[in-house]
Amino acid sequence: AQTVTQSQPEMSVQEAETVTLSCTYDTSENNYYLFWYKQPPSRQMILVIRQEAYKQQNATENRFSVNFQKAAKSFSLKISDSQLGDTAMYFCAFPINTDKLIFGTGTRLQVFP
Amino acid sequence: DGGITQSPKYLFRKEGQNVTLSCEQNLNHDAMYWYRQDPGQGLRLIYYSQIVNDFQKGDIAEGYSVSREKKESFPLTVTSAQKNPTAFYLCASSNYGSQHEKLFFGSGTQLSVL
Repeated sequence: AQTVTQSQPEMSVQEAETVTLSCTYDTSENNYYLFWYKQPPSRQMILVIRQEAYKQQNATENRFSVNFQKAAKSFSLKISDSQLGDTAMYFCAFPINTDKLIFGTGTRLQVFP
Repeated sequence: DGGITQSPKYLFRKEGQNVTLSCEQNLNHDAMYWYRQDPGQGLRLIYYSQIVNDFQKGDIAEGYSVSREKKESFPLTVTSAQKNPTAFYLCASSNYGSQHEKLFFGSGTQLSVL
């Protein structure tokens, strides 16, 4: 079965510090995509970053980067220079059957001043 | 501005009543999706549609129905058969429904039972 697991229900970080959110998944596919979505208090989901599994290079979007370990099936999100606006739920997502995304249970991140 | 509009923001359902959640997009996307979000859980797929007049069941379709008569609209009906409808419902769309595409989300509808 294809699954995605986020083992950290809650995390906190001080403003300007770095935090890493974990995600593991299970699949027998060789070519796929992985996503991190953010859900701020407004509850509208926004794409943070996307990784293509066949690319060796880790994806980066400004202060957000991933540590993609294909063999370990691990896809963690690193947020550098954390800002108060980063306070949100973060969901790791993974497509199954080529056309459906499954989501992890999320990690609630609180950024403190 | 292009985007996805969900309405209403809050909805209350009485026992035995069917209610319909609206989802409209002006992004000209082919694919549209309905997700359910419960506290402490991730999003679960209810239904999705990759083309007008066609849709497929997701993981938790029982007690729900959809239609896709127009490209821009994908309403979700929560029927009386859905015994635990209280949840936050999110509509999303993507260009073609391919696995590499990002999803665009609406701002959601909170459904509660009276």
